[in-house]
Amino acid sequence: GENVEQHPSTLSVQEGDSAVIKCTYSDSASNYFPWYKQELGKGPQLIIDIRSNVGEKKDQRIAVTLNKTAKHFSLHITETQPEDSAVYFCAASISNAGKSTFGDGTTLTVKP
Amino acid sequence: NAGVTQTPKFQVLKTGQSMTLQCAQDMNHEYMSWYRQDPGMGLRLIHYSVGAGITDQGEVPNGYNVSRSTTEDFPLRLLSAAPSQTSVYFCASSYSIQHSTDTQYFGPGTRLTVL
Repeated sequence: GENVEQHPSTLSVQEGDSAVIKCTYSDSASNYFPWYKQELGKGPQLIIDIRSNVGEKKDQRIAVTLNKTAKHFSLHITETQPEDSAVYFCAASISNAGKSTFGDGTTLTVKP
Repeated sequence: NAGVTQTPKFQVLKTGQSMTLQCAQDMNHEYMSWYRQDPGMGLRLIHYSVGAGITDQGEVPNGYNVSRSTTEDFPLRLLSAAPSQTSVYFCASSYSIQHSTDTQYFGPGTRLTVL
């Protein structure tokens, strides 16, 4: 089955700095890679996703890159703000399969 | 739309007791899933369903049963609770292939403690 590894497990940055979270996956059949943000006491919420036919996708301060050859994808957050502090999860799945394999999460802390 | 709702929010059980975690969605999604979240281990898939009457096992199915009699509801049953099932449980739903989107929408979670 699919295996997703996520690094780092914790990340602390100063407000205004950039944050990068990296994930690798094992199943070459995976073609959909979402990123979720989970705030304390809540369920994960999708913040951005990318499909295997795209190398990069950007939405305001958030971007995701995908390297299919290396089976590696990353989340980039620029100009971080205290409200970006949360746990971030990457995931990998086969499109329309109805299930995902998640990384173990990264706790991001943005210091004012 | 209420989205994905889960009840109860909190539950304490004794070892050996049984209970059902409820999950409902009002977005007419065909796909629904149950995950458990343990500290430092991300979300692990317990069971999932691609439509009414169809269910399949995920990564950690032992000790749990599911059924999907309607599109809206996907209950998770703990047959005989064990301390190892202490966790936060999340239900998620998503569109099917005909809507060409994979976005999963998660409920607020049920925090279960088994003594």
